[in-house]
Amino acid sequence: GENVEQHPSTLSVQEGDSAVIKCTYSDSASNYFPWYKQELGKRPQLIIDIRSNVGEKKDQRIAVTLNKTAKHFSLHITETQPEDSAVYFCAARGQAAGNKLTFGGGTRVLVKP
Amino acid sequence: DTAVSQTPKYLVTQMGNDKSIKCEQNLGHDTMYWYKQDSKKFLKIMFSYNNKELIINETVPNRFSPKSPDKAHLNLHINSLELGDSAVYFCASSQEGLVYEQYFGPGTRLTVT
Repeated sequence: GENVEQHPSTLSVQEGDSAVIKCTYSDSASNYFPWYKQELGKRPQLIIDIRSNVGEKKDQRIAVTLNKTAKHFSLHITETQPEDSAVYFCAARGQAAGNKLTFGGGTRVLVKP
Repeated sequence: DTAVSQTPKYLVTQMGNDKSIKCEQNLGHDTMYWYKQDSKKFLKIMFSYNNKELIINETVPNRFSPKSPDKAHLNLHINSLELGDSAVYFCASSQEGLVYEQYFGPGTRLTVT
């Protein structure tokens, strides 16, 4: 089955700096890679996603890159703000039936004012 | 007009009891999921139903039994609760096909004492 590794587990940045979170996956047939943000006590919410036929996608201050050869993808947050503080999860959709997502272990991001 | 709703939000119960969590989605999706998020924030899929049919059944104890009366509802019944069952349980839904995004419910925090 799919295995997703996420690093780092915690990340502290100064407001205005950039944050980068990296994930690797094991199933070369995986075709969809979402990123979820989970604020304290809240549900995970999709912030950006990328499909295997695209190398990069950007939405305002967040961007995701995908390297299919190396089987890794990254989330980039620029000009971080205190409201970016949350736990971020990467995930990969493998070839198993049922749209199964395998999640990384999460990265706790703290943006210091 | 909540997209994915769960009840109850909090559940405190004693070891050995049986409890149920209910989930409903009004997005017209055909696939629903149960996830368990433990104290370390790991998100792990437990079950998935597509049009009332079980399609993903991860390695979950038999004490956990999902039921989908129709494609808008997915309930989770847990027998003989154990301390290790304490976690936040998230329901999610998606539409199988070209759109893969999964929408999560608000979660049910289960505490077994």
